[in-house]
Amino acid sequence: GENVEQHPSTLSVQEGDSAVIKCTYSDSASNYFPWYKQELGKGPQLIIDIRSNVGEKKDQRIAVTLNKTAKHFSLHITETQPEDSAVYFCAASSLSGGYNKLIFGAGTRLAVHP
Amino acid sequence: SAVISQKPSRDICQRGTSLTIQCQVDSQVTMMFWYRQQPGQSLTLIATANQGSEATYESGFVIDKFPISRPNLTFSTLTVSNMSPEDSSIYLCSVEIHGARTEAFFGQGTRLTVV
Repeated sequence: GENVEQHPSTLSVQEGDSAVIKCTYSDSASNYFPWYKQELGKGPQLIIDIRSNVGEKKDQRIAVTLNKTAKHFSLHITETQPEDSAVYFCAASSLSGGYNKLIFGAGTRLAVHP
Repeated sequence: SAVISQKPSRDICQRGTSLTIQCQVDSQVTMMFWYRQQPGQSLTLIATANQGSEATYESGFVIDKFPISRPNLTFSTLTVSNMSPEDSSIYLCSVEIHGARTEAFFGQGTRLTVV
């Protein structure tokens, strides 16, 4: 089955710096790669996703890149702000039975210091 | 989009007892998903619940321990049975909405502590 590894487990940056989180996956059949942000006491919330027919996607300060050959994808946050502090999870999935069975990475705790 | 309400938001339970967690969605959905998030860990899928049929459990999870009900297209319950301290986790309900964009939505979670 699918296995997703995520690094680093913790990341501390100064406000305004960039943050990069990397994930690798094992199942070449996976074709959907979402990223979630989880704030304390809340459920995960989708922040950006990418499908395997696209190499890069950007949404304001957030971007995701995908390298299908190497089976890795990354989240890039530019101009970080204190409100970006949270736990970030990557996930990989393929459509099965009409829905995406998400396999999550272990998470990255991002701290943005003013 | 979807708004998911989970009850209770947190509970402290005695070992050996059972707790039923409720999940209410503001729209009709075919599949509902239950996840466990152990302290400081990632999310692990427990089972998928389709209305009108038995839930499908992932490896390592069994119906006797985590019975699930799915009486209609907007509601589901997960019961954690015969609890032990190892069951202390956050339990999350999720749905997937298909539209212009496919997106999974999560409830805020139920933080369970077993003492």
